[in-house]
Amino acid sequence: DQQVKQNSPSLSVQEGRISILNCDYTNSMFDYFLWYKKYPAEGPTFLISISSIKDKNEDGRFTVFLNKSAKHLSLHIVPSQPGDSAVYFCAASGRYSGGGADGLTFGKGTHLIIQP
Amino acid sequence: DSGVTQTPKHLITATGQRVTLRCSPRSGDLSVYWYQQSLDQGLQFLIQYYNGEERAKGNILERFSAQQFPDLHSELNLSSLELGDSALYFCASSAGAAVDYEQYFGPGTRLTVT
Repeated sequence: DQQVKQNSPSLSVQEGRISILNCDYTNSMFDYFLWYKKYPAEGPTFLISISSIKDKNEDGRFTVFLNKSAKHLSLHIVPSQPGDSAVYFCAASGRYSGGGADGLTFGKGTHLIIQP
Repeated sequence: DSGVTQTPKHLITATGQRVTLRCSPRSGDLSVYWYQQSLDQGLQFLIQYYNGEERAKGNILERFSAQQFPDLHSELNLSSLELGDSALYFCASSAGAAVDYEQYFGPGTRLTVT
């Protein structure tokens, strides 16, 4: 049973436009959410996080939005650049609720392709 | 470069065998996490060690075990290997025990069981 779902295996966006990656979760004990980016032959690298006390967190071109009632989060990248082409993983944890282990539960990833 | 090293990069072995994967965390990091990425399951948390002690357990099979040594490097032991154990195994390290410390991932060890 997948607790973190990324329903789009791939997404193609034109350079300069907005990329929106979506993630849904089912475990109501999750209260800390992260996005990781992964290039081929490398490990995932941390991008941005958000705790459940917020509904938005921004870092440069990257913004994560959290809708707790819908159990949905999204990552916005504006403007999209060629170097953003990678696989993006959504991850979650019950960090503050204590409902989960201190490891992360990952989605299966979305392959973002930025077209020139 | 995350500062986390994993050896070997690739491993090919037969069913029923036992292998050991090694991870050296970033300098100063006390936590080590192990994750398995298989084609159908995505990235799955296996186990976490903090300063030599087991801290949290995820979906780790009984055939798998791990430890963290006094110098903080960690080993993941996989025994009685099955075809389904073929996957990419990632190690990550962080400064603290809690999950809101940023985890830095190594490049992974690709295990192929034939």
